[in-house]
Amino acid sequence: AQSVAQPEDQVNVAEGNPLTVKCTYSVSGNPYLFWYVQYPNRGLQFLLKYITGDNLVKGSYGFEAEFNKSQTSFHLKKPSALVSDSALYFCAVTGPSGGYQKVTFGTGTKLQVIP
Amino acid sequence: KAGVTQTPRYLIKTRGQQVTLSCSPISGHRSVSWYQQTPGQGLQFLFEYFSETQRNKGNFPGRFSGRQFSNSRSEMNVSTLELGDSALYLCASSLEATGSGANVLTFGAGSRLTVL
Repeated sequence: AQSVAQPEDQVNVAEGNPLTVKCTYSVSGNPYLFWYVQYPNRGLQFLLKYITGDNLVKGSYGFEAEFNKSQTSFHLKKPSALVSDSALYFCAVTGPSGGYQKVTFGTGTKLQVIP
Repeated sequence: KAGVTQTPRYLIKTRGQQVTLSCSPISGHRSVSWYQQTPGQGLQFLFEYFSETQRNKGNFPGRFSGRQFSNSRSEMNVSTLELGDSALYLCASSLEATGSGANVLTFGAGSRLTVL
């Protein structure tokens, strides 16, 4: 069965500092990996995805993620954090399930950017 | 273009009652998925529909059911509500590409259910 782990419930970072939100996954076959962000009282919004190719994926709002196959990780990064980046971040993986593709989400990491 | 619309946004029910939530996907999207979000459990997959057929189902009791109509709109129903059903219910739609797992999900704002 596929799974996603986000080991940190919360990450605190000072504004202007680089940030990393960690994600590891387990899936059979080649993974499709995603990051979504959720602001208060909103649904999730797509940030970026990895399908194949370059291990460094660039997404919305200056975020990027690095795919590491040997470590089965897909960490989300940003060079300089903004207060407005404070939100709940979800990592997700898509894998085969009964002939179709099934999405599994991590438990989420709350990012707090401190002014 | 219009996003994913979920109604109602907020509702309060009492134990034993039933509730129906509605989701209108983005025009042209044929896949609709439902998730339950709670602080302790994160996002739990309920079920996915494509062309009026349930393709996948999560590990929820039979009190949770859903359906999809020919216009891709979807409803989910929870019968005999329990306190533990209090949660944010999220609907997501995607543009299905056969055999592809790379579909991006577009989420609605959710329906927040409180069971008293």
